Amino acid sequence: IQLTQSPSSLSASVGDRVTITCRASQGISSYLAWYQQKPGNAPKLLIYVASTLESGVPSRFSGSGSGTDFTLTISSLQPEDFATYYCLQLNSYPLTFGGGTKVEIK
Amino acid sequence: EVQLVESGGGLVQPGRSLRLSCAASGFTFDDYAMHWVRQAPGRGLEWVSGISWNSGTIAYADSVKGRFTISRDNAKNSLYLQMKSLRPEDTAFYYCAKDFGSGGWRDHIDYWGQGTLVAVSS
Repeated sequence: IQLTQSPSSLSASVGDRVTITCRASQGISSYLAWYQQKPGNAPKLLIYVASTLESGVPSRFSGSGSGTDFTLTISSLQPEDFATYYCLQLNSYPLTFGGGTKVEIK
Repeated sequence: EVQLVESGGGLVQPGRSLRLSCAASGFTFDDYAMHWVRQAPGRGLEWVSGISWNSGTIAYADSVKGRFTISRDNAKNSLYLQMKSLRPEDTAFYYCAKDFGSGGWRDHIDYWGQGTLVAVSS
């Protein structure tokens, strides 16, 4: 299963609403997770089963979708949110990641 | 507190072998599936391999199938990745990662180690 993430990068300002999409090449139900990675650090879980917010993650992060089309939304971008975001499908082996979206400061 | 500590990385020549280890603590290791995920410098994440709680289900990415072997020792709370016939394209940070569930799929990866660097070069 291939995951196509878009855009591959974006520039945004603090306070902006940001939307990242992840499209699967075949249906994966809701078995999709989103991760945030900052340079030099391991990825951090944000969202799982498409829309469940991981404990401790700010509520400005939200996820939606099922089947083949998924979205990660940051409602009001904060300085600490500048990072790279990845989707991961866990519907079936082999697990696959999207190519990543780098969120940069405008 | 969940801790995953990888070791065994280093510089290795093409065609040689290397064994990575991951020491787990802070959770009941034999209740959960585990994974290896890698990231080439400056590149995206690539899932490498996964193993269920009892080693009954094992899977690999096509890019490593037949060359890498995942295993676990529940008595030692440890995960391993035996890598053979290494290629320059295997150069990456290798992360040990814990699954939320026991099977390795249809759940999610919730904790990651800090990674160990494997560099394949002559």
